[in-house]
Amino acid sequence: EVQLVESGGGLVQPGGSLRLSCAASGFTVSNNYLNWVRQAPGKGLEWVSVLYNDGTTYYANSVKGRFTISRDNSKNTLYLQMHSLRVEDTAVYYCARVDDNSGYSDYWGQGTLVTVSS
Amino acid sequence: SYELTQPPSVSVSPGQTASITCSGDELGNKYVCWYQQKPGQSPVLVIYENGKRPSGIPERFSGSISGNTATLTISGTQAMDEADYYCQAWHNRLSVFGTATKVTVL
Repeated sequence: EVQLVESGGGLVQPGGSLRLSCAASGFTVSNNYLNWVRQAPGKGLEWVSVLYNDGTTYYANSVKGRFTISRDNSKNTLYLQMHSLRVEDTAVYYCARVDDNSGYSDYWGQGTLVTVSS
Repeated sequence: SYELTQPPSVSVSPGQTASITCSGDELGNKYVCWYQQKPGQSPVLVIYENGKRPSGIPERFSGSISGNTATLTISGTQAMDEADYYCQAWHNRLSVFGTATKVTVL
């Protein structure tokens, strides 16, 4: 059974850093495309970043230069390293598996809440 | 930046048909998928590759695309279909979600 479990969220001050983890089971992260998607309180879904199976990464303009997506194949885990956090980064962050042909996400984690506040 | 536009809300009576549109430049050249999200829950894929339905999704959910507009149709809408719905597509290697449509079953 495919499962994605996010962790690492919490309260951080503006300008701070945080690393989110997404532990995968039922499939191999290194063979798949993986997304981070976030949702601010009361708002819609916002795509954040994607990691291809070949290691290629892409980022939304809103996080480019501040966030880094990566994976640890030995732990079958996806990460999102976040630096220079802003109040507007406050959101529930989801990881999701992405179909490498047409880009849909068939499996999502439960999400982890990041709150950026002083 | 690329944008996908959806109506903010759609109201439908039980048993009737709800249609949600998603418009974007050159959308007809892309794959569109749709997600359902209920309060406090993660999104669930209901349509992929414009009109395919994942295993376990009821047949009352269907999708189509014409020109630069994709449409999610819920036939015989049930109270359990009340949720937010998002379209998604990829443009120049970046993914974009639509602006969300809240479906209310009156």
